[in-house]
Amino acid sequence: GAGVSQTPSNKVTEKGKYVELRCDPISGHTALYWYRQSLGQGPEFLIYFQGTGAADDSGLPNDRFFAVRPEGSVSTLKIQRTERGDSAVYLCASSLNGRGSEQYFGPGTRLTVT
Amino acid sequence: GIQVEQSPPDLILQEGANSTLRCNFSDSVNNLQWFHQNPWGQLINLFYIPSGTKQNGRLSATTVATERYSLLYISSSQTTDSGVYFCAAQAAPLVFGKGTRLSVIA
Repeated sequence: GAGVSQTPSNKVTEKGKYVELRCDPISGHTALYWYRQSLGQGPEFLIYFQGTGAADDSGLPNDRFFAVRPEGSVSTLKIQRTERGDSAVYLCASSLNGRGSEQYFGPGTRLTVT
Repeated sequence: GIQVEQSPPDLILQEGANSTLRCNFSDSVNNLQWFHQNPWGQLINLFYIPSGTKQNGRLSATTVATERYSLLYISSSQTTDSGVYFCAAQAAPLVFGKGTRLSVIA
């Protein structure tokens, strides 16, 4: 079946602009996760959804970052007033159940803030 | 939070050689996964192995949860095995190590 998909694959934006990144999880997966990966580093956790609710948002770096999952499937990561330090690859993952179950990753969105 | 350390950070192998990658984690976990990140950045699931031993072709993995480490074995390495291998452990959020960059040369 289809894996996790993310759009766009690449996004270039100017400093100060607003961006939205989309994630389509594997059908039937109740848990969805966002991570951020900087060059040469492993992915770092941002936020975890169980169903429609954010069960853990402890990884969001500041209040410019926000994510939603209104119907318990597709999720959108929103970044306001982008800064050059936000440039990274944003990865989405989903798992069948909550924490402890195997996570499957999408191809990522490469965000570049100029 | 949980700490995940991988070793070695870099590894160069001759095609056909075997290797062992290690992952140490600092606390009890309910999820331990190994990934291969290909040159295009896609994380490929290798093993979901919170405990025990699994094998898949030339790859196998063992996690000894009581001693808080996991090992990934690659046998008869091929050039297509090149890339970065990540271990990730989960107690609350999934925490990744910094990875082992593997280069297999012909």
